[in-house]
Amino acid sequence: EVQVLESGGGLVQPGGSRRLSCAPSGFTFANHAMTWVRQAPGKGLEWVSAISGNGGGTYYVDSVKGRFTISRDNSKNTLYLQMNSLSAEDTAVYYCARVAGESFYYYYHMDVWGQGTTVTVSS
Amino acid sequence: QSVLTQSPSASGTPGQRVTMSCSGSNSNIERNFVDWYQQVPGMAPKLLIYRDNQRPSGVPDRFSGSKSGTSASLAISGLRSVDEADYYCAAWDDSLGGVVFGGGTKLTVL
Repeated sequence: EVQVLESGGGLVQPGGSRRLSCAPSGFTFANHAMTWVRQAPGKGLEWVSAISGNGGGTYYVDSVKGRFTISRDNSKNTLYLQMNSLSAEDTAVYYCARVAGESFYYYYHMDVWGQGTTVTVSS
Repeated sequence: QSVLTQSPSASGTPGQRVTMSCSGSNSNIERNFVDWYQQVPGMAPKLLIYRDNQRPSGVPDRFSGSKSGTSASLAISGLRSVDEADYYCAAWDDSLGGVVFGGGTKLTVL
């Protein structure tokens, strides 16, 4: 079965850091760009970041540039999102999603989603 | 304020046809493909329509997408109670260099 599974969420103090992970299964990880999408409580979806299949291209929404870093290890079949300088505005469910192709720019539709991991930024 | 604009709510009765719209600009919808996602409350989003009007395997043909200029639409025919969910449009935005989502439309089946 094709699926992705997020982990790493939890309670973080303002200004703190957290690393999220996403483990895919059932497909060739390197053949797909991957992305993170978040949803604040009671709010809509917000695209956060993406990375191409070979890791050579990374993309960020303006609000996280300089604070979040997306990366992947194709040898370990794992996607990461390193989040630094967290604030209350980053509180959300973070979804890992597979992109339909290797290039995020060309194939940006997200065809496999995880169940999400919750990050709460609070003192 | 979302870059793509969707009506907050829509409703219909079982069997009806409902449409919902997504309004953008020439930096997103007009130049790039539009995707639609369905999110049942408490669940992860699901890809419903991609590249304006393509359905992933397993999505019923009751769902259809279209686009004209800077606007896109999602139509659901033969409305069913299981269709009650939030629906989001999304597109690449050339100015922002990433994907933008609409604010979502909450569909109620009366």
